[in-house]
Amino acid sequence: QVQLVQSGAEVKKPGASVKVSCRASGYTFTGYYMHWVRQAPGQGLEWVGRINPHSGDTNYAQKFQDRVIMTRDTSISTAYMELSRLASDDTAIYYCASPLLQGSFDPWGQGTLVTVSS
Amino acid sequence: SYVLSQPPSVSVAPGKTATITCGGNNIGSKSGHWYQQKPGQAPVLVIYHDDDRPSGIPERFSGSNSGNTATLTISRVEAGDEADYYCQVWDSSSDHVVFGGGTRLTVL
Repeated sequence: QVQLVQSGAEVKKPGASVKVSCRASGYTFTGYYMHWVRQAPGQGLEWVGRINPHSGDTNYAQKFQDRVIMTRDTSISTAYMELSRLASDDTAIYYCASPLLQGSFDPWGQGTLVTVSS
Repeated sequence: SYVLSQPPSVSVAPGKTATITCGGNNIGSKSGHWYQQKPGQAPVLVIYHDDDRPSGIPERFSGSNSGNTATLTISRVEAGDEADYYCQVWDSSSDHVVFGGGTRLTVL
């Protein structure tokens, strides 16, 4: 079945970087964008950006433009999101999601908790 | 940038109908999607392309989208429907995805 499996929880210090992975299965990885969405504790959903796994083209939300990099490895159907210069307000659950159903996000990964703390 | 507005909370008695709105400038010209999120879980798609239901989603969930408002309607509300609900569109002018702020549905 269609599935997105993310890497495990991370704890980072302020100023560090984090790289989260998302492995896709059950569909053609290069046929659909991969998006990243984050959710801070008690807050709503926030779009971070997306990558075209076929071409590698990316599009980031303006808020993250200068410190996020999304990449992919098509040989293992895996997308990555790296966020640098972490601050405490980057503490959140980071989800990957693929728009398989007419542009809507389905499925979602299980989420990766990134905690930024000194 | 494009903004979607949702009421922070909606309350409804079991068996009644819940209506959750999502306001945006000419949102009716965009394709709207809705997600349900329960505590500690990833969001789940409940309505896509304004009014379509993914397989496995009960017929009690329906959607509409016209003018400046998209609407999620949940009929015959059950205790298990208590969750946060988010609307989402793709803004073609910026090529960015936009989420509403979310609505907490409380079943009384």
